[in-house]
Amino acid sequence: DADVTQTPRNRITKTGKRIMLECSQTKGHDRMYWYRQDPGLGLRLIYYSFDVKDINKGEISDGYSVSRQAQAKFSLSLESAIPNQTALYFCATSDLRSDQETQYFGPGTRLLVL
Amino acid sequence: GQNIDQPTEMTATEGAIVQINCTYQTSGFNGLFWYQQHAGEAPTFLSYNVLDGLEEKGRFSSFLSRSKGYSYLLLKELQMKDSASYLCAVRDSDYKLSFGAGTTVTVRA
Repeated sequence: DADVTQTPRNRITKTGKRIMLECSQTKGHDRMYWYRQDPGLGLRLIYYSFDVKDINKGEISDGYSVSRQAQAKFSLSLESAIPNQTALYFCATSDLRSDQETQYFGPGTRLLVL
Repeated sequence: GQNIDQPTEMTATEGAIVQINCTYQTSGFNGLFWYQQHAGEAPTFLSYNVLDGLEEKGRFSSFLSRSKGYSYLLLKELQMKDSASYLCAVRDSDYKLSFGAGTTVTVRA
């Protein structure tokens, strides 16, 4: 079984709709992250959470919100989707107790907003 | 914040060596990572440098010079499966990663 899972893997939605992307992990890591990836721009941080009661904005948080329901779950919501939110979204986790604190990525959610 | 630059594309022949450079400007340096990403897949961890010098891991090596804001990833004995995008990422003092746009490496037979 994968350590970091994301649902759905693909989603098509219409402008103005509310959608939620979910991330779950079995790695026991405290820290979780949401990124989006666009061609030519690389990965950009949307939100991150260092524990269940901690939520922080990243580089591009406008138009997004998150919820850390448990140590293992971190959800990303688009309250009113717009076409420029079409992108590949990745969840990642890291272990603050490790020396390197490498981030490990989920398989991604491909989102298309029409 | 971070400014991270790496070449957009590189092409090399199977069995050859390729070096991918990464330069960065940072407001607080706390480590540099290299990830490999095949098309449509998740980035996977390749290497980590926090001190100056060379880290070797099989066919892959990574070098860091903090004073120059410079790193490179060296891929030796290239194989077709090494065709992928390689992402340079710098971690800041708040433990956030900033990524370069990635270098697409194409390995030709």
